Amino acid sequence: GESVGLHLPTLSVQEGDNSIINCAYSNSASDYFIWYKQESGKGPQFIIDIRSNMDKRQGQRVTVLLNKTVKHLSLQIAATQPGDSAVYFCAENENSGGGADGLTFGKGTHLIIQP
Amino acid sequence: EAQVTQNPRYLITVTGKKLTVTCSQNMNHEYMSWYRQDPGLGLRQIYYSMNVEVTDKGDVPEGYKVSRKEKRNFPLILESPSPNQTSLYFCASSWAGGNTIYFGEGSWLTVV
Repeated sequence: GESVGLHLPTLSVQEGDNSIINCAYSNSASDYFIWYKQESGKGPQFIIDIRSNMDKRQGQRVTVLLNKTVKHLSLQIAATQPGDSAVYFCAENENSGGGADGLTFGKGTHLIIQP
Repeated sequence: EAQVTQNPRYLITVTGKKLTVTCSQNMNHEYMSWYRQDPGLGLRQIYYSMNVEVTDKGDVPEGYKVSRKEKRNFPLILESPSPNQTSLYFCASSWAGGNTIYFGEGSWLTVV
C-alpha cells in the first residue's frame, strides 16, 4: 500500500515474475484513477487509467484493477523487466467532472527488479 | 515533441535570495500546476492555473508565488527562499477538464 511514514514501501521481484502494486484510496466520491511511473531523476509518467464504472483495464503488460467496495486499486505488471524499476504511485480525482486540479497523489511504492 | 520544460534543473541558493523556476509547455494546455516532492510526503500541489491570468492556491502555497501571463508559461517564484523549501519541484500541464497531466523533468532546489 501507500506509505504513511518517511520511507516508501518497497516491492522486490525477480526479473520475469509478475508484480502487483497496491494502493488504498480514501475518497469514495473519486471516479477516476491513474497510475504513474517515476524513474530515478525523471518526472512522473502516465501508465494507465481507469474510471469508476470499470473494475479492470488492460494495457501493454499492465493491468489496473479497481475495487470500489474496499477502495482499493492495484497495478499488475506482467513479466517484469529491469526497465520497470521505478517508483509507482496512484492518483485519484475528486472532481466528478474531471480536471487535473482535483487529482490527489499517493506517496508511492518503490519497485526493485532483481536479476 | 510534446514537452513540459523546467529550468533550472538543479540549483543551490542561499536563504533570502529571490529565485524563479521557469516552466513552459508546448501542448497548448489550459491547466498548469506546480508540485513539490519530498521523501515520505509524495507530491503536494503548490499552485495551479486553469488558464491565463487565473491562478489558485494548492495544498502548500506558503512562501511561493506564481504568474500566468501567457498560456505556455507558468513560472514559480520564491521571493525569500528558506531551507524548508529545499525540495524537488515538478511543473505539470493538462487540457482543461482532462485528468491526465504531463510532468516536467523536475528541478532540484537546495536552499542553504
